[in-house]
Amino acid sequence: EAGVTQFPSHSVIEKGQTVTLRCDPISGHDNLYWYRRVMGKEIKFLLHFVKESKQDESGMPNNRFLAERTGGTYSTLKVQPAELEDSGVYFCASSQVGYLETQYFGPGTRLLVL
Amino acid sequence: AQTVTQSQPEMSVQEAETVTLSCTYDTSESDYYLFWYKQPPSRQMILVIRQEAYKQQNATENRFSVNFQKAAKSFSLKISDSQLGDAAMYFCAYRSATSGSRLTFGEGTQLTVNP
Repeated sequence: EAGVTQFPSHSVIEKGQTVTLRCDPISGHDNLYWYRRVMGKEIKFLLHFVKESKQDESGMPNNRFLAERTGGTYSTLKVQPAELEDSGVYFCASSQVGYLETQYFGPGTRLLVL
Repeated sequence: AQTVTQSQPEMSVQEAETVTLSCTYDTSESDYYLFWYKQPPSRQMILVIRQEAYKQQNATENRFSVNFQKAAKSFSLKISDSQLGDAAMYFCAYRSATSGSRLTFGEGTQLTVNP
C-alpha cells in the first residue's frame, strides 16, 4: 500500500511568488491534515479536511494560505504571495475515520523563500 | 490549550545501550492520546508507539516502551538495545479524544547512536 506522498520535495522561490504544494493521502483515508515546521521549532497544525470539507482551519496563519481538497482525494496548499517567514517544512498526514485515527505522515516539502 | 514539552534537544546513546527521551504535556482534559513519532534522516516520519490515556498499562512495541505517568503528565520513551537505525529526530505528540483530532507536537529530540 502506497504511503502519503508529497510534491515537490523541495521548492525555492522568491518573496512575492506563488507556490503550490500537493499531498496525496493513503487511499481510503478521509482525514487529511497539513502541518508546518518552521526554523527547527515544533511542528504546528495548519488545517484538517474530512473528505472535501474543512473540519478545522484554525491553524492557518493568514489569508495568504489557501488549502483545497477537491473530490476528497488529493489536497493542495497554495501560498500567495510567499513571505520569508513561510520558509519551513510542510507535512501532510492522513488517517482513517474511527478509533484512534492514527495519522500517517508524508515526507514533507521543504520550502525556502528568498 | 494543550502544550507538549521535550526538554532534551539532543541525546546520544551507545549502540546496544538504553536511552530514555523525556516528554511532558499540559492539558485539562482527562481523555486523550499520546504518541511518539520518529523522523529519520530520510525525512519520512513514522509512528513509533501510542498510548491511550485511560489505559494504565504502559505501551510497548518491541524495543520501544513508554513510561506514562498521567498524574505527572509525563510520557517518556525508552529505547532498549539501541541500534544505529534508531538515530533520528523523535517527536512527542498529544491528541485530544474529544475536541478535534489535530496533533500537538513537542520541539523534538535529536537522537544520535554511537557505534
